[in-house]
Amino acid sequence: DQQVKQNSPSLSVQEGRISILNCDYTNSMFDYFLWYKKYPAEGPTFLISISSIKDKNEDGRFTVFLNKSAKHLSLHIVPSQPGDSAVYFCAASARFNGGTSYGKLTFGQGTILTVHP
Amino acid sequence: NAGVMQNPRHLVRRRGQEARLRCSPMKGHSHVYWYRQLPEEGLKFMVYLQKENIIDESGMPKERFSAEFPKEGPSILRIQQVVRGDSAAYFCASSPPGQLSRRNTEAFFGQGTRLTVV
Repeated sequence: DQQVKQNSPSLSVQEGRISILNCDYTNSMFDYFLWYKKYPAEGPTFLISISSIKDKNEDGRFTVFLNKSAKHLSLHIVPSQPGDSAVYFCAASARFNGGTSYGKLTFGQGTILTVHP
Repeated sequence: NAGVMQNPRHLVRRRGQEARLRCSPMKGHSHVYWYRQLPEEGLKFMVYLQKENIIDESGMPKERFSAEFPKEGPSILRIQQVVRGDSAAYFCASSPPGQLSRRNTEAFFGQGTRLTVV
């Protein structure tokens, strides 16, 4: 049972344009959402997060939007740069509803982003 | 301030052997999580530990897998009698302690150990 889904395995974008990566979840207990970036042969690197009490969080070129009613979140990267090319993982946790396992993350399958110069 | 350190980076084992994967959390972090990434898949939670305690092992296979985080030293993920299906990248993450209501879950990940069973 895939509780966090990233339905697009890959995305190709031109440098300078917007990249939009999407993520859907099914578990209504999730109350905190994160995006991680991963290069080959390296561990995931935290990018940005959002709490379920918000619908938008912005950090530089990265903005995450959360639509709780649709159980959907998206990551916008503007403008996209070739160095953004990596695998992006959406993750979710149940901070307050998960008891002591608040730090347990459920990951999507990842989306490979390629930004062309 | 060193990040999460995992070793070895690469580990090759023959079927039936034991694999030991080590993880040293970031300084000041007392929570450790282990994740496994199979080829073409996302990371899957395995186990969550605090010093000398297993908090949540709901993602651990019932047999052959064990984890510990002793009072001194790194956290160890141990796989006994490895099989080809255990071949994967194993990632360790750590996070600091703190009040639950203020705690965020931006766990910091190590570079992973790539286990190959031949």
